[in-house]
Amino acid sequence: DGGITQSPKYLFRKEGQNVTLSCEQNLNHDAMYWYRQDPGQGLRLIYYSQIVNDFQKGDIAEGYSVSREKKESFPLTVTSAQKNPTAFYLCASSMPRGSGGVGETQYFGPGTRLLVL
Amino acid sequence: QKEVEQDPGPLSVPEGAIVSLNCTYSNSAFQYFMWYRQYSRKGPELLMYTYSSGNKEDGRFTAQVDKSSKYISLFIRDSQPSDSATYLCAMRKTSYDKVIFGPGTSLSVIP
Repeated sequence: DGGITQSPKYLFRKEGQNVTLSCEQNLNHDAMYWYRQDPGQGLRLIYYSQIVNDFQKGDIAEGYSVSREKKESFPLTVTSAQKNPTAFYLCASSMPRGSGGVGETQYFGPGTRLLVL
Repeated sequence: QKEVEQDPGPLSVPEGAIVSLNCTYSNSAFQYFMWYRQYSRKGPELLMYTYSSGNKEDGRFTAQVDKSSKYISLFIRDSQPSDSATYLCAMRKTSYDKVIFGPGTSLSVIP
């Protein structure tokens, strides 16, 4: 049963703390993405990775970091530098560039809701 | 002006109604258009994918793209309570550009 999993479903962060959100996919997709969703706003791209050991900043990368050591995994760390981390975080994956058409469409995980204590 | 705009709603319709959801956009370079459905506290799921202008139908759903007006629509026929969700439009210029999402329209279908 292929898909994208994210954990935990809910995460609480204390001030000054770094927290890591997990994203795993077994779709054999090369590309993976992290988005942030706030009420009334579209999804905003945090980081993306087209291939293992390579990743690029998105539109709102400040205060976040990622790694891509394995094709299946793309964890996101929300650092203490992110002053407004409360949001719904979505991980997505897609086939690589050049696969064409709907194959490059992004498929999403169930999300992690991050709350600040 | 935002690149992609949607009326946030909420939109409330009776069961069986035809629903029209719309997005406008400002960048004429967009060629790939998508509609996602997102249930509360879940990740978005792809509903429709279209390239360039025209219509595409899939069951009760029809996606329409009018590039001359920079306007896309999603029509839902015979709406069901299970269609109650937020609908996000999304678009990109090329198949490898980043995807730009609209803020979403919240839809409630009342039994």
